[in-house]
Amino acid sequence: DVKVTQSSRYLVKRTGEKVFLECVQDMDHENMFWYRQDPGLGLRLIYFSYDVKMKEKGDIPEGYSVSREKKERFSLILESASTNQTSMYLCASTPGRSGNTIYFGEGSWLTVV
Amino acid sequence: TQLLEQSPQFLSIQEGENLTVYCNSSSVFSSLQWYRQEPGEGPVLLVTVVTGGEVKKLKRLTFQFGDARKDSSLHITAAQPGDTGLYLCAGRYSSASKIIFGSGTRLSIRP
Repeated sequence: DVKVTQSSRYLVKRTGEKVFLECVQDMDHENMFWYRQDPGLGLRLIYFSYDVKMKEKGDIPEGYSVSREKKERFSLILESASTNQTSMYLCASTPGRSGNTIYFGEGSWLTVV
Repeated sequence: TQLLEQSPQFLSIQEGENLTVYCNSSSVFSSLQWYRQEPGEGPVLLVTVVTGGEVKKLKRLTFQFGDARKDSSLHITAAQPGDTGLYLCAGRYSSASKIIFGSGTRLSIRP
């Protein structure tokens, strides 16, 4: 079975803290993504990576950075968490070819207080 | 920002009725997918369409990709309470690996 694992299911952090969200996939996929999901806004792409050490900004990259040092791991970093970053974060991966299934992790619920 | 507009945003209908959800964009996609998401879980793939005009059926669900590959629809026949959930369309551009999602349609089927 394919697997995308997000390290934390629920987190509560204080404003200004640095937050790391980790994602690991075991399918040798080239592409990995970080989305945030908010009511009424659907899934919005934060960053994606199509290869190790490669990254591209999505639609809402402000306040976030990413790291992909190994093919199986894609980390999302909030340098200084703010309350408007309270959200559900979804990691996903897919093989390089178009039309392939996107596999999602279970999501990480982040609350910034 | 590239947009994928989904409508309606919310839909509450009686069991047994039919419904259609739409996904529209001004951009051309190399493929388009529909997902269903349950509360507290990640989205799960229902179908992928890649050819303009393509129609796929999954039991009572019919998916169509527009001829120009800019839009898609999901039609559910004789809706059942088990169809309740958040339905998301996702488009992939041929020029990049980027995938964008629609805003979602929250469907509620009343018994």
